[in-house]
Amino acid sequence: EPEVTQTPSHQVTQMGQEVILRCVPISNHLYFYWYRQILGQKVEFLVSFYNNEISEKSEIFDDQFSVERPDGSNFTLKIRSTKLEDSAMYFCAKSGGTLAEGSSYNEQFFGPGTRLTVL
Amino acid sequence: GQQLNQSPQSMFIQEGEDVSMNCTSSSIFNTWLWYKQDPGEGPVLLIALYKAGELTSNGRLTAQFGITRKDSFLNISASIPSDVGIYFCAGQLAQGGSEKLVFGKGTKLTVNP
Repeated sequence: EPEVTQTPSHQVTQMGQEVILRCVPISNHLYFYWYRQILGQKVEFLVSFYNNEISEKSEIFDDQFSVERPDGSNFTLKIRSTKLEDSAMYFCAKSGGTLAEGSSYNEQFFGPGTRLTVL
Repeated sequence: GQQLNQSPQSMFIQEGEDVSMNCTSSSIFNTWLWYKQDPGEGPVLLIALYKAGELTSNGRLTAQFGITRKDSFLNISASIPSDVGIYFCAGQLAQGGSEKLVFGKGTKLTVNP
């Protein structure tokens, strides 16, 4: 299974502060995603990223959120001014792997997540 | 927006029993995926389904893509303690540039040894 790592594993921040969550998708993939999961709830789609631009975003992904892949490797999610309700697990995912990895275009592989706590 | 209804919400079973859970949707999906999530970790892909009517197995797991493309089920045979976790179905339209996954609310499985 293709590997995805995320840093930090846990981030505590004050309301109104900016946070940057990082994802390192090992190996070449085409699509990258951010999802979030509020404690005890389902996983929700935030944004998909293809060919260095946003391909789709949800209603949750408002102007406070941004994504980029600054160095062709790390994939980041920035929240400009955090709110209490941003507290959640944030998962990076990737799909569209190489044939050598045997993964289908549609299969999405998730990282271990970053737990964001906004105080 | 698209919603998935996943049931049951939770299950308590004895080791060795078989388990069945399902997802239904009001809209069509072109791909169904089943994930397992352990506490504090990310979802792990178990099975992917791509064609209506498709039945796919992965060890003790079997999943089917409903004929109407609006539902899917997952069966686990001869459950063991490490099957404990939350199982999520996810639908994907995979059309018109939309690759996002829509998740169900999960089925929490508890296996008593």
